[in-house]
Amino acid sequence: QVQLQESGPGLVKPSETLSLTCTVSNGPLTDYYWTWIRQSPGKGLEWIGYMSYTGSSKYNPSLKSRLTISIDTSKKQFSLKLNSVTAADTAVYYCARQVSESLPVFDYWGQGTLVTVSS
Amino acid sequence: DIQMTQSPSSLSASVGDRVTITCRASQSITNYLNWYQQKPGKAPKLLIYATSRLQSGVPSRFSGSGSGTDFTLTISSLQPEDLATYYCQQSFSTPFTFGQGTKLEIK
Repeated sequence: QVQLQESGPGLVKPSETLSLTCTVSNGPLTDYYWTWIRQSPGKGLEWIGYMSYTGSSKYNPSLKSRLTISIDTSKKQFSLKLNSVTAADTAVYYCARQVSESLPVFDYWGQGTLVTVSS
Repeated sequence: DIQMTQSPSSLSASVGDRVTITCRASQSITNYLNWYQQKPGKAPKLLIYATSRLQSGVPSRFSGSGSGTDFTLTISSLQPEDLATYYCQQSFSTPFTFGQGTKLEIK
């Protein structure tokens, strides 16, 4: 079945850029939308944004000014970059597959990766 | 943003009990309501989408209902493996938002 795996640094300094990559295996990147979601004790589950295999995207307005999501179909990867991070960005970050734009449900998830923002 | 409010925040029930969790949206989301189950240390898992459609592989003891602003997740006969936190999520409009979760404990 489809598997997603997040990778990236677990510790980021304040004001720097958080960068994560999600690798998709056992399934196509095409025909789906690819999403980032984070979970912190203070804010619960928070949708970050998505990108389709065609490159169309939507971001959470609360993060939009600091956020870039990109996709590399040849590597079957999609990535998240969040700049100017603060302690409030400390969370477990999940990548997930969204079934479609008209059916925005997340049917496969990565295991999650904890990112701590601290000096 | 559409606010999602779940109740209760936690509940304790016995094996075999019928359990109901409610979710209320701050505005109508028609039937764009999904439910996830998160076990400790794991990623959320999709249980139900579009209010009442059971995701493939999910046991039939799970069901969902509702429309507009009020929704319900029901477990017809609680099993020990149902120990988890349950989240509702609206997919009516972006930013997609989640409820704060209902932690289900087994007595």
